[in-house]
Amino acid sequence: DTEVTQTPKHLVMGMTNKKSLKCEQHMGHRAMYWYKQKAKKPPELMFVYSYEKLSINESVPSRFSPECPNSSLLNLHLHALQPEDSALYLCASSQDRPPGLAKNIQYFGAGTRLSVL
Amino acid sequence: AQSVTQLDSHVSVSEGTPVLLRCNYSSSYSPSLFWYVQHPNKGLQLLLKYTSAATLVKGINGFEAEFKKSETSFHLTKPSAHMSDAAEYFCVVSDVSGGYQKVTFGTGTKLQVIP
Repeated sequence: DTEVTQTPKHLVMGMTNKKSLKCEQHMGHRAMYWYKQKAKKPPELMFVYSYEKLSINESVPSRFSPECPNSSLLNLHLHALQPEDSALYLCASSQDRPPGLAKNIQYFGAGTRLSVL
Repeated sequence: AQSVTQLDSHVSVSEGTPVLLRCNYSSSYSPSLFWYVQHPNKGLQLLLKYTSAATLVKGINGFEAEFKKSETSFHLTKPSAHMSDAAEYFCVVSDVSGGYQKVTFGTGTKLQVIP
């Protein structure tokens, strides 16, 4: 099973709303990622969790708040978003076992299509 | 620093003809390279990977890619295009930075297949 499950598939929210995106994997992967993808662009890395600890934050605004409650689950909490935050949000996971980190395959979920009104 | 360049933003082929999607990379070390495909409104699916074993790599759905160190290239090919191959394709280079895997995406190539 190489499945990464993301919910919801679609989300519409106002600028004052609070919502959360959820990502789940049961492959035993210890690295999990959030990416943001705008239309006709490649994915851009937002956050990396390694062994349930935040390892990388690519200078993401604080209105995006990640959380990793356990090794299988990754959340992205959203608050006071702007219309320009509308995008496809992708979650990915990979093994995190050195050596050979660069060879790790990242498995992606289908994404959450977010629209901010 | 690593980078990847996809030379064509858009490629159009007729069904049944060969596909060539070009990718050049830059990396300080011996890189790992991947090709992913993304169908409209979907996530990314791994097509194939190169991780310093055989230079000719076979992937899913009849795709293959050849790693050429002298040319710093990792072009994706398929002998005969199917309508279902129409999608966005991303070339990805992977390295280690600060103890973590760092991947860099190319800008993508949109493949159009004409019936």
